Amino acid sequence: QVQLQESGPGLVKPSQTLSLTCTVSGVSITSDLYYWSWVRQTPGKGLEYIGYIQYSGSTFSTPSLKSRLTISLDASKNRFSLKLTSVIAADTAVYYCATPGGITTGAFDFWGQGTMVTVSS
Amino acid sequence: EIVMTQSPATLSVSPGERATLSCRASQSISTNLAWYQQKPGQAPRLLIYGASTRATGIPVRFSGSGSGTEFTLTISGLQSEDFAVYYCHQYSNWPPPSTFGQGTRLEIK
Repeated sequence: QVQLQESGPGLVKPSQTLSLTCTVSGVSITSDLYYWSWVRQTPGKGLEYIGYIQYSGSTFSTPSLKSRLTISLDASKNRFSLKLTSVIAADTAVYYCATPGGITTGAFDFWGQGTMVTVSS
Repeated sequence: EIVMTQSPATLSVSPGERATLSCRASQSISTNLAWYQQKPGQAPRLLIYGASTRATGIPVRFSGSGSGTEFTLTISGLQSEDFAVYYCHQYSNWPPPSTFGQGTRLEIK
């Protein structure tokens, strides 16, 4: 069973970098059966797919964030990370890590519990 | 980008009755559609994928239907724990991009 756990600061100042980590347990992050993804949720825009990474190196970043977003993977620690630079108030959201489970194709079987990030000075 | 539109925004139904939630895609997505349930303070929970396949452990009172651009989630015999927000999610071009609907809040009548 895949388990995901987000971690990172809950408060980030405008123009700084938001960094979050998702620790994976129950499965190896090197399995390309999974797409290690980030999804965020705001009251205004709802659920927004941010991007994914696979061990093979395949990645995707949503176009609206692509210039500010980096998703990376650390196989030695079985975790993956998100870095969003030059944050603004609109980046305030609950950030989830998630992944499809393989047979569900692109539907997300597995989610972390979410971490609230506030962008404020 | 494929836009997903859910209706209604809020649905009031009595326990024991049936709830019907709708989701429309701005272009055909075949059956590449999922439904999620979300309760306050929790992550979304996958209910349905492939438009009509129940995820592991999901009760049979949850059923999904549709293809192309029109989809429905039906919850029969509503129980107290079913009152939550429901989201549809298209993954037609998986790997991404994928997009979510804005949600339907199912509340107790």
